[in-house]
Amino acid sequence: KAGVTQTPRYLIKTRGQQVTLSCSPISGHRSVSWYQQTPGQGLQFLFEYFSETQRNKGNFPGRFSGRQFSNSRSEMNVSTLELGDSALYLCASSLNSRGADTQYFGPGTRLTVL
Amino acid sequence: TQLLEQSPQFLSIQEGENLTVYCNSSSVFSSLQWYRQEPGEGPVLLVTVVTGGEVKKLKRLTFQFGDARKDSSLHITAAQPGDTGLYLCAGSYNQGGKLIFGQGTELSVKP
Repeated sequence: KAGVTQTPRYLIKTRGQQVTLSCSPISGHRSVSWYQQTPGQGLQFLFEYFSETQRNKGNFPGRFSGRQFSNSRSEMNVSTLELGDSALYLCASSLNSRGADTQYFGPGTRLTVL
Repeated sequence: TQLLEQSPQFLSIQEGENLTVYCNSSSVFSSLQWYRQEPGEGPVLLVTVVTGGEVKKLKRLTFQFGDARKDSSLHITAAQPGDTGLYLCAGSYNQGGKLIFGQGTELSVKP
């Protein structure tokens, strides 16, 4: 079974631009969560989607948004990029939306904002 | 607000030594997970603990969940260079797939 895939793997943008990241979950998984990882803050939860609905949301500004499609693939969008948005963005998929469900992480998208 | 305090943040030891990583919180978690992350990769799940007082073993790794489900520890016996990596604990409040991560422990095992 293929793992979680994320595209692109690396991205360089400039301040003020917007970016869209994509995540394809493991086949059959209906929950997709997004995390931001930085050296200073570690891994922080952005949001979770389950069956095309946002189930949970972290403490990030409205510039960060996401969506999930009927095939469970998910995208996250960051508008008006700031230097502080430079980070590794990870998505994780799980079968359902239960806390004890195993979450499988993708390799991440490394975003650099100049 | 950091709800999960993980210590130590950095650990450099020689091959064959034992080590323990701690994960503490003032909150009660419904489950706690330990991950290992290597550079350029996403975290990989090592274990999930659910019951207070639970102990799980994975070869040379021993995981314990505190009786009150507020803390956990990871003990590695006879560490090997292949154990090098970032170890992360993550707690769940049973709010769907949301995980609260500790800051991580960067482990380096020298041959």
